[in-house]
Amino acid sequence: AQRVTQPEKLLSVFKGAPVELKCNYSYSGSPELFWYVQYSRQRLQLLLRHISRESIKGFTADLNKGETSFHLKKPFAQEEDSAMYYCALNTDKLIFGTGTRLQVFP
Amino acid sequence: DAEITQSPRHKITETGRQVTLACHQTWNHNNMFWYRQDLGHGLRLIHYSYGVQDTNKGEVSDGYSVSRSNTEDLPLTLESAASSQTSVYFCASSESGGNAEKLFFGSGTQLSVL
Repeated sequence: AQRVTQPEKLLSVFKGAPVELKCNYSYSGSPELFWYVQYSRQRLQLLLRHISRESIKGFTADLNKGETSFHLKKPFAQEEDSAMYYCALNTDKLIFGTGTRLQVFP
Repeated sequence: DAEITQSPRHKITETGRQVTLACHQTWNHNNMFWYRQDLGHGLRLIHYSYGVQDTNKGEVSDGYSVSRSNTEDLPLTLESAASSQTSVYFCASSESGGNAEKLFFGSGTQLSVL
């Protein structure tokens, strides 16, 4: 079965602390994974994709096929990172996880 | 500027009524999608379309239908609204080909079925 699992509904950290938002997937094919973000009162938007191996707003995510994971990481969280984060798997359409709300306290 | 718009922003209806949510995009994207967002379930795909006259069922399509008569619009119809369909509905579109997974989302429609 094709599935994306985000085990944490809520992650709360203080400003400057490291952040890791977990994402695991189940897919028999070659996975294409993405992170989408929804800031307060803004539209859902693409944050990064694994094939680009890019860092966006200080966030990175590495695809680990052995652990079937695509965790999102940032070494030093900022208050403006507070948002809802969705991990997504591309099959012939995007399948989203249940989302993790990140709260960064000052 | 190109855009994707949803209407209405908020809708309250009664059980059993037919409801149609509009989605209009001006990017000339072939791919369009409808998702619903619910606490604990995240975003779930309702229906999607890869072009005019093409429609496909997603994972939670029961009770919903779509039609694609032109490139710009993918209206979502709830045939007989149920309280379980109270949700926030998001429309999205994307290009075909290599950027197909980069979805552009609308601002959402909050639907309440009483």
